[in-house]
Amino acid sequence: EIVLTQSPGTLSLSPGERATLSCRASQSVSSSYLAWYQQKPGQAPKLLIYGASSRATGIPDRFSGSGSGTDFTLTISRLEPEDFAVYYCQQYGSSPPTFGQGTKVEIK
Amino acid sequence: QVQLVESGGGVVQPGGSLRLSCAASGFTFSTYGMHWVRQAPGKGLEWVAFIRHDGSNKYYADSVKGRFTISRDNSKNTLYLQMNSLRTEDTAVYYCAKGAYSSSSNSYFDYWGRGTLVTVSS
Repeated sequence: EIVLTQSPGTLSLSPGERATLSCRASQSVSSSYLAWYQQKPGQAPKLLIYGASSRATGIPDRFSGSGSGTDFTLTISRLEPEDFAVYYCQQYGSSPPTFGQGTKVEIK
Repeated sequence: QVQLVESGGGVVQPGGSLRLSCAASGFTFSTYGMHWVRQAPGKGLEWVAFIRHDGSNKYYADSVKGRFTISRDNSKNTLYLQMNSLRTEDTAVYYCAKGAYSSSSNSYFDYWGRGTLVTVSS
């Protein structure tokens, strides 16, 4: 199965700053079938990005995804207070679908 | 709007059984594949099982294969997970998730329920 490694484990930033989260796959993710989710404490994950770069319905344009092959990035252009959360990447190009271990974006 | 509501979680002893349900609304349930995803306390997400839109194909994570059974009743818009021979390592919040496709287990998850907690402990 494809192993996804996210970095950094924790990102300490201030509101208004730019956040760059990385997701690296152990082998190439076919057709850029890579998704990103946001999870806040006590809540279910929420889909942000699919197909590496397509925003899900209702997701603000400060969230953007990029990458292909084995290296993918989620960028939050200007952090809003509600963006502090844990972010997971997930590949769905091969079975089984797998998730990264998560990156926590915390307030500095 | 899409709603997924899980139920059936609780405390069970090792070796015991539990059946989870997920009531779906706000979309045509019978046309989408459905998944269960779990999250152990303080840990990350783990995909558990998938069922095709018509129930004809099912796939499982190796960690639950032979112990868990996914099923669905399209007449009731409900997804199920029968969990047998439960182990302490099965302790987690179990989420019902809607797949983006009808027939492929390789999918992202565009809607999630709030989850139901399963605790396996003696």
